[in-house]
Amino acid sequence: AQSVTQPDIHITVSEGASLELRCNYSYGATPYLFWYVQSPGQGLQLLLKYFSGDTLVQGIKGFEAEFKRSQSSFNLRKPSVHWSDAAEYFCAVAPRSNDYKLSFGAGTTVTVRA
Amino acid sequence: DTGVSQNPRHKITKRGQNVTFRCDPISEHNRLYWYRQTLGQGPEFLTYFQNEAQLEKSRLLSDRFSAERPKGSFSTLEIQRTEQGDSAMYLCASSYPSGYEQFFGPGTRLTVL
Repeated sequence: AQSVTQPDIHITVSEGASLELRCNYSYGATPYLFWYVQSPGQGLQLLLKYFSGDTLVQGIKGFEAEFKRSQSSFNLRKPSVHWSDAAEYFCAVAPRSNDYKLSFGAGTTVTVRA
Repeated sequence: DTGVSQNPRHKITKRGQNVTFRCDPISEHNRLYWYRQTLGQGPEFLTYFQNEAQLEKSRLLSDRFSAERPKGSFSTLEIQRTEQGDSAMYLCASSYPSGYEQFFGPGTRLTVL
């Protein structure tokens, strides 16, 4: 069955420390991959996406993600976290078959401590 | 680009009542999507439109749910005879004709008492 897994429900990180959020997918073929962020009371904002090419993709707000085909993973990273990065982060995928709907992981809540 | 807008932002209703939500997509986007998000979960796909045509509906969309996009612009999502299990955030998104990148609105939070 197709699935998107975010193994970490909640991560707490100190301001200025690095952050890595994990995402694994199970699909027949490598899907299109996305990371979204959702702040309290807000909609989802796209951080970055991977369609093809360079496996390290840069996004907004200083985030980057690395696609690893062998591990079916698309992990999100930020070298130095700011208090404003406290939010919920969702990994999402779309099949490469003109099927445009997104399938989301359950999300990882990030808390930033001073 | 004014973004995707949704109205109302919050709706509280009593079980058994009907509710309708509206989504206004980004004007150049011809695809429009509805998702439902419950507490602690990621959004789940409900349905999507290309222009005015509803191309796919999830099994989550019971007979009590109906969505329209009459002129290929804004869309409405109606829930009839609401149940407490319908309480959720309803998200709308839109995208360009050739794009997989979806832009989300702020959502409508529904509470069914």
